Amino acid sequence: QSVLTQPPSASGTPGQRVTISCSGSSSNIGSETVNWYQQLPGTAPKLLIYSNNQRPSGVPDRFSGSKSGTSASLAIGGLQSEDEADYYCAAWDDSLNGWVFGGGTKLTVL
Amino acid sequence: QLQLQESGPGLVKPSETLSLTCTVSADSISSNAYYWGWIRQPPGKGLEWIGGIHYGGTTYYNPSLKSRVTISVDTSNNQFSLKLSSVTAADTAVYYCARHVSTAVMGNAFDIWGQGTMVTVSS
Repeated sequence: QSVLTQPPSASGTPGQRVTISCSGSSSNIGSETVNWYQQLPGTAPKLLIYSNNQRPSGVPDRFSGSKSGTSASLAIGGLQSEDEADYYCAAWDDSLNGWVFGGGTKLTVL
Repeated sequence: QLQLQESGPGLVKPSETLSLTCTVSADSISSNAYYWGWIRQPPGKGLEWIGGIHYGGTTYYNPSLKSRVTISVDTSNNQFSLKLSSVTAADTAVYYCARHVSTAVMGNAFDIWGQGTMVTVSS
């Protein structure tokens, strides 16, 4: 049971916009910034979004993040086949004094 | 370009201690801006944070694993290490080392990851 809650799956067709949600609490998302990681099949996770809505260098602007209260969202616009991956949200938890992750969302491009 | 590489045994017997090392290349491990962390992923499951260390020695651990985990740093060899004691089959996972950046510019995140190493706990 993950501290942050994500839907286990999401899907979309090429060119569509897809949104993945991440729900937490006042001790993590409510008081700390949210990061998103992309894990392509058989590879290590890669930082996709940091500080709620910032993209590291090299990440396409099709990827965007937002946060409101104790929830966050990752949006992927202009969906491409290479976006098929697992996506994880993460945040520092002030009560646990450590990092917590969502259970991951498997994105399928139909 | 900074790279992290995990190394260690791929098979550990139940009740024994799992030991892994992460070698940092192309940059110094001795920077105030970074912590160095371990994250694991059981087969087919999600990510679990294990703990981390600053080059000065400050450590922080997942409360659920704290009694069994020790993370240390070797600045002379630009490495940091993980020891997980009394392992069981539940500790079977891919273990990743990662750089934890914490700055006003880059935020607070694991920005660079190693490729991961599979560790199986079995007799």
